Amino acid sequence: GAGVSQSPSNKVTEKGKDVELRCDPISGHTALYWYRQSLGQGLEFLIYFQGNSAPDKSGLPSDRFSAERTGGSVSTLTIQRTQQEDSAVYLCASSLVSVRGELFFGEGSRLTVL
Amino acid sequence: AQTVTQSQPEMSVQEAETVTLSCTYDTSENNYYLFWYKQPPSRQMILVIRQEAYKQQNATENRFSVNFQKAAKSFSLKISDSQLGDTAMYFCAFMKEYGNKLVFGAGTILRVKS
Repeated sequence: GAGVSQSPSNKVTEKGKDVELRCDPISGHTALYWYRQSLGQGLEFLIYFQGNSAPDKSGLPSDRFSAERTGGSVSTLTIQRTQQEDSAVYLCASSLVSVRGELFFGEGSRLTVL
Repeated sequence: AQTVTQSQPEMSVQEAETVTLSCTYDTSENNYYLFWYKQPPSRQMILVIRQEAYKQQNATENRFSVNFQKAAKSFSLKISDSQLGDTAMYFCAFMKEYGNKLVFGAGTILRVKS
């Protein structure tokens, strides 16, 4: 596709369940980011993938959060044993490393934990 | 660690008028990048303008321009001839020269009134 694609757009789950959020970046973009945006807040960095390098996981808030990127393309963010404070919009972005800071964002996945 | 502060949670402007959004940041780095991103109600973030710290000339993109004051660590965004489509949340962001992640401010909601 032409842009970054995320699914699902909306996800409602019960506390304690696991969820998976998917991101399909722009073809050819080697860098991929996950950010979290809570209501009325800025964007909180979660994780960064670049090519075959080890990901920068420094923003993951707890060990319930994990992410992988298969074949240098699609990424999945997994949240285990969801808590109400995990409710947020999860944004994925991709970029060309050569153009510093120009991230192309998806529309996000809105997660609601009841 | 770098921090980005946007002190104006909300602003409004009349159509065709000019508005300035404020941003300050804290860093010990000498070279870095600064950005303004726009997030319309549809949620997809897009890059508005980009400034490299080593360039003294302020960046300009059509109706959007910045006032970059490196010594004061200030990076404001001026929108001229405001249009209804400029209504959005605006985020200021920072990236280290050799960094891999954007640090965002909390955002400013801008409403353009007809």
